Amino acid sequence: ETGVTQTPRHLVMGMTNKKSLKCEQHLGHNAMYWYKQSAKKPLELMFVYNFKEQTENNSVPSRFSPECPNSSHLFLHLHTLQPEDSALYLCASRIIGTSGTDTQYFGPGTRLTVL
Amino acid sequence: KNQVEQSPQSLIILEGKNCTLQCNYTVSPFSNLRWYKQDTGRGPVSLTIMTFSENTKSNGRYTATLDADTKQSSLHITASQLSDSASYICVVEGYSSASKIIFGSGTRLSIRP
Repeated sequence: ETGVTQTPRHLVMGMTNKKSLKCEQHLGHNAMYWYKQSAKKPLELMFVYNFKEQTENNSVPSRFSPECPNSSHLFLHLHTLQPEDSALYLCASRIIGTSGTDTQYFGPGTRLTVL
Repeated sequence: KNQVEQSPQSLIILEGKNCTLQCNYTVSPFSNLRWYKQDTGRGPVSLTIMTFSENTKSNGRYTATLDADTKQSSLHITASQLSDSASYICVVEGYSSASKIIFGSGTRLSIRP
C-alpha cells in the first residue's frame, strides 16, 4: 500500500450519468494529481493541485471536473462521458520541496467503463 | 519536444534469468529520472529515483543506471522472479514546474516458470 487510496476501484456508467471519483492521502503531501491511463499509452496528466490550488489543466474536456477541498482529498466529477473516456484513472500525491526529487505515490486507480 | 522512449515494448524471460530495460529521453533541462513498477490493474510503485549527478541506484534486485550525457537510463533486474511480471515505466522530470513530468509507455515484462 502506498498510502493513497481511491474509490471506487471499478465503475461502469452510461453516457448520461454523473459520478465522482475520490482520492485520499494522509501522507502530509501538498500536491495531488489526476492521470488517465489508456491501454498501451503513457500516463496522461489531467490536473495538478498544489496546496489545494489548481496549477495545471492539461487541456482536459469540461466533462471532467476536478475538486480539491483540502490537501488530503481530491475528487474527479464525471458528467456525460464518452466511450473513449474508458480508462484507468490514477491519483497521485507528492511533497513539492526545494529538492524537487520527491517521488509521486500513486493510488490503485479506478477502472472506468463508459457504455 | 520532451519525450521518453522505452524499449523493448514487451519482454518474456525465464524465471531466474536477468534482463535489462532501456529508457531514452530528450527532456531538458533535466531534474530527475524514476523507474516505476506497475502490476496489472494497480497504480505504479516507485523503484528508484536518480538526479543528474547520480549514475546508479539499487533497490534489492533492481539496479538503475543513468548516463546524463547520452540521456539514457537502464533498469537491470537480476535473478528474476514470477512476481517481477509487470509493466516498468520510466519517468523523467524537468525543472521549474512540478507538473513537467513525462512518462514513457512502459515495458511489459513477463516472467515464465
